[in-house]
Amino acid sequence: GENVEQHPSTLSVQEGDSAVIKCTYSDSASNYFPWYKQELGKGPQLIIDIRSNVGEKKDQRIAVTLNKTAKHFSLHITETQPEDSAVYFCAAISGNTPLVFGKGTRLSVIA
Amino acid sequence: DTEVTQTPKHLVMGMTNKKSLKCEQHMGHRAMYWYKQKAKKPPELMFVYSYEKLSINESVPSRFSPECPNSSLLNLHLHALQPEDSALYLCASSQNPGYEQYFGPGTRLTVT
Repeated sequence: GENVEQHPSTLSVQEGDSAVIKCTYSDSASNYFPWYKQELGKGPQLIIDIRSNVGEKKDQRIAVTLNKTAKHFSLHITETQPEDSAVYFCAAISGNTPLVFGKGTRLSVIA
Repeated sequence: DTEVTQTPKHLVMGMTNKKSLKCEQHMGHRAMYWYKQKAKKPPELMFVYSYEKLSINESVPSRFSPECPNSSLLNLHLHALQPEDSALYLCASSQNPGYEQYFGPGTRLTVT
């Protein structure tokens, strides 16, 4: 089955700097890659996603890139703000199979 | 609107109690999910309903019993739980299996 590895497990950045979180997946049939942000005491919030027929997608300060050959995808957050502090999860889906999550990255943005 | 609602927000129950968690979505989604999340871990899939039929049970103990009364509602019935079942229980929905999933805020369950 699918296996998703996520790095780093914790990340601290200064406010205004960029943050990058990387994930690798094992199943070459995976075709959908969402990213979730989870704040303390809340459910995961879908913040951006990408499908396997696209290499990059951007939404304001957030972007996701996908390298199908290397089987890795990354989340990029520019101009970080304190409210970006949260746990971020990457995930992968192959067809109709359930989401497989990475272990999460705790991002701290220091003002 | 991508809202999934869950009630109650918090629940404390003894090991002999019977309680239910409720989840509702009005997005017309045909797939609904229950996840369990322990602290500092990713959500762990428990059940998937597709078109109101149970399609996936991830070997969950029978003290957890899911129910899908209609396409908008999902319940999780709890009975004779153990303290290690204390966790955040998340509901999610998607247009169909394999599509983007939207999560509710969760129910924080404590078993005493």
